[in-house]
Amino acid sequence: DAKTTQPNSMESNEEEPVHLPCNHSTISGTDYIHWYRQLPSQGPEYVIHGLTSNVNNRMASLAIAEDRKSSTLILHRATLRDAAVYYCILTGSGGSNYKLTFGKGTLLTVNP
Amino acid sequence: DGGITQSPKYLFRKEGQNVTLSCEQNLNHDAMYWYRQDPGQGLRLIYYSQIVNDFQKGDIAEGYSVSREKKESFPLTVTSAQKNPTAFYLCASSIQGVTSYEQYFGPGTRLTVT
Repeated sequence: DAKTTQPNSMESNEEEPVHLPCNHSTISGTDYIHWYRQLPSQGPEYVIHGLTSNVNNRMASLAIAEDRKSSTLILHRATLRDAAVYYCILTGSGGSNYKLTFGKGTLLTVNP
Repeated sequence: DGGITQSPKYLFRKEGQNVTLSCEQNLNHDAMYWYRQDPGQGLRLIYYSQIVNDFQKGDIAEGYSVSREKKESFPLTVTSAQKNPTAFYLCASSIQGVTSYEQYFGPGTRLTVT
């Protein structure tokens, strides 16, 4: 499985944008980039996913580098409720492989 | 409301006892999963099932067993053979698709074995 590298932790101030980076230099052409987040003592929650083009949804934006070796999850205005561990995960397309491999993720702290 | 329920939220057992964790979903999803999470770590896949009456081992299946007799239910049994059973257990489900691996997670069961 292709691997991802994320910073252990990041800090932000409330109502400021947050850019969470993820490196995936061994990504294959058919791997999708998924982001999940996990609030304390809860199950993970899907945030966004993409393949090649940048993606936006109500929660966040995903910016994917042209060579696809890195991506950035963007929270446009951080709130205290965004404090969580954010996981960047690669998944293969097609076939029967639906496995999500969670690393340690990035712990985001949001200061009031 | 559609979603995944896990019960109980907290579970305490004595060493040597088998214990079964419940997971039910009403999302009409074909695929279901069990993960384990230890403090400060990411999730690790225990078992997964893509259709009724079929399931596959994940990365850490030893000491665990599952069944999938109904589409909406995927119970996990932690047996006495599991050496370090104390952990946070998460159940998830997803539709089968080729472009998205969006998994919906339950609230988890925190198991403590003493």
